[in-house]
Order: sequence, then structure tokens, then C-alpha cells
Amino acid sequence: NAGVTQTPKFRVLKTGQSMTLLCAQDMNHEYMYWYRQDPGMGLRLIHYSVGEGTTAKGEVPDGYNVSRLKKQNFLLGLESAAPSQTSVYFCASSYAHRGAGELFFGEGSRLTVL
Amino acid sequence: KNEVEQSPQNLTAQEGEFITINCSYSVGISALHWLQQHPGGGIVSLFMLSSGKKKHGRLIATINIQEKHSSLHITASHPRDSAVYICAVMEYGNKLVFGAGTILRVKS
Repeated sequence: NAGVTQTPKFRVLKTGQSMTLLCAQDMNHEYMYWYRQDPGMGLRLIHYSVGEGTTAKGEVPDGYNVSRLKKQNFLLGLESAAPSQTSVYFCASSYAHRGAGELFFGEGSRLTVL
Repeated sequence: KNEVEQSPQNLTAQEGEFITINCSYSVGISALHWLQQHPGGGIVSLFMLSSGKKKHGRLIATINIQEKHSSLHITASHPRDSAVYICAVMEYGNKLVFGAGTILRVKS
């Protein structure tokens, strides 16, 4: 049982390049989330999804796009990376149970934009 | 004002001390989570609460829905408890919002 898996774990990009982070969960969870974590700022919600085919904006969605074509996968895309997007990205998932279930997190993806 | 406020931001304790971390929120929620993150590490779920109190080993979490407040207690603290403790609330609509975290250091 792999839980929540994020790929890649580390990536260095040049300004303007594009990339996609993949979050995969094998627990049949409905809810999936993408966060970024920056020093002194805690975790900030980028985008989230409450089910296959649905996505919604979080607190800091600008510069990111997401897709949830399959229930088990939640992709986070950066179309034109900027140095301000240097951060650690975490994916989380949970099942829907009367509005909330236990949270499971990926190990994080460290992205550096030069 | 942030939707989720944690206090204190930093906490240093001696081994064996009783520790309390507080979380206040300003919106209606369906659940509240307490999470733990070790330096350089991933994030693990400690508790999910929608009412009352839960206990797991030396950790106790309580929530008062009317007062929009939750506390995380650690009894007989140990250096291995040193970590960042994060409060997160599940708003109606399934948006999950985090507090800034409390950095706990337990000295031996």
C-alpha cells in the first residue's frame, strides 16, 4: 500500500520552463489537495479537487493549473515557472466521510526555479 | 486576519513537561486536524476532530465548536516530540486551510 506518492521529489527549473508534478494515491480517496510550503508562511492551498473531473482554486492559484482526469491522480502544472514558485510542494488526500476524513500526505516535492 | 491562528508560534520545553498548543479559527468547519512535521520530513496526521476529545498515547486533542477553539496537549514531553505541529480546518465545501504551525523544541 503506497499511500500518497509525489513525483518528482526534486527538480530544478529555469525561469520560463514548464513542468508537471504528479500526485498519485491508491486509497480511492475523493478529496485531493496541492499545497506549497514556504519558510515562515506555513502551508498554503494552491488548488484542490473533491472528485474525479472537478477542481477548485485555493488561496494561491495564480501561475498553476491542475487536472484530475482519473480519481487516483492529481496533477499540478507550472506553465511558465518563476523564481517565486521556488518552494516545497505537498499533495494530500482524504476520503469523504460526512465532510471530512483522515488526511494522508505525500513526502513533498522540492522545486527550485533559477 | 488568518482564518486559522495558532499559538504559541515557538515553544521550548524541558523533557517531562506538559505542553499545550492552541488553535483558533473564524469560520464554520466540519472537522479539525492536528498534524506533525519533523524537520526536513513529511507531514503525518495525529488527530481528526469534529467534537469532544481524542487521546492517542501521550497526545490529547480537544475541540470546542461553540468557541471555535482546539488544543493539542502533550503529556510527559520527550525530545522526540520536537517538531512543527500544525492545525488545519476543513471548511464547509471541503476546502482545507492550515495554521502557520507551532515549532516545538523539547530539551533533555
